[in-house]
Amino acid sequence: NAGVTQTPKFRILKIGQSMTLQCAQDMNHNYMYWYRQDPGMGLKLIYYSVGAGITDKGEVPNGYNVSRSTTEDFPLRLELAAPSQTSVYFCASSYPGREREQFFGPGTRLTVL
Amino acid sequence: GQQVMQIPQYQHVQEGEDFTTYCNSSTTLSNIQWYKQRPGGHPVFLIQLVKSGEVKKQKRLTFQFGEAKKNSSLHITATQTTDVGTYFCAGLSGGSNYKLTFGKGTLLTVNP
Repeated sequence: NAGVTQTPKFRILKIGQSMTLQCAQDMNHNYMYWYRQDPGMGLKLIYYSVGAGITDKGEVPNGYNVSRSTTEDFPLRLELAAPSQTSVYFCASSYPGREREQFFGPGTRLTVL
Repeated sequence: GQQVMQIPQYQHVQEGEDFTTYCNSSTTLSNIQWYKQRPGGHPVFLIQLVKSGEVKKQKRLTFQFGEAKKNSSLHITATQTTDVGTYFCAGLSGGSNYKLTFGKGTLLTVNP
């Protein structure tokens, strides 16, 4: 199993550009999550999904959108990129249930200039 | 909203010394998870604590969950250079289905 994969690894955007961060998992996990990690700030939940067609906002959803058309994929869309969105983005997945460990992807390092 | 505080933010030790990081929640937690992130890497799950007063051990690592389920600690005995990284606690409150709240983490560096 590849686990959780993310593309691209690195990206530089100009202010106002848009992009999609890709996330896929091959573990048949129902639950998927997007986090951002700023230096010294831990991980903050952007959006999560409990299954195909079901998404919900996390702690910091503004400026982002998600979709979940399949169990495997959970892309994160940035519209009108802003410098405040410079961060490392992690996708994670888990089995259903409240007491399940999360498996993280390798991350995407995004810089907005 | 729920807040999870973690101290210290940084800890530098000599190899062989012990290390402890503490996690405190503003609300009662249903469970707490611990993750380790190596420099440049991604968080990796270490353990989960669910019961009040629970203590779990993994080799040199000891994890505790407080009696009130509002605090937790991770203790590493005789640190090694392989222990370098950031240790995060993440709590799930009773009112939240799936939203883990992460602490800011403790960065551990080990001098060989």
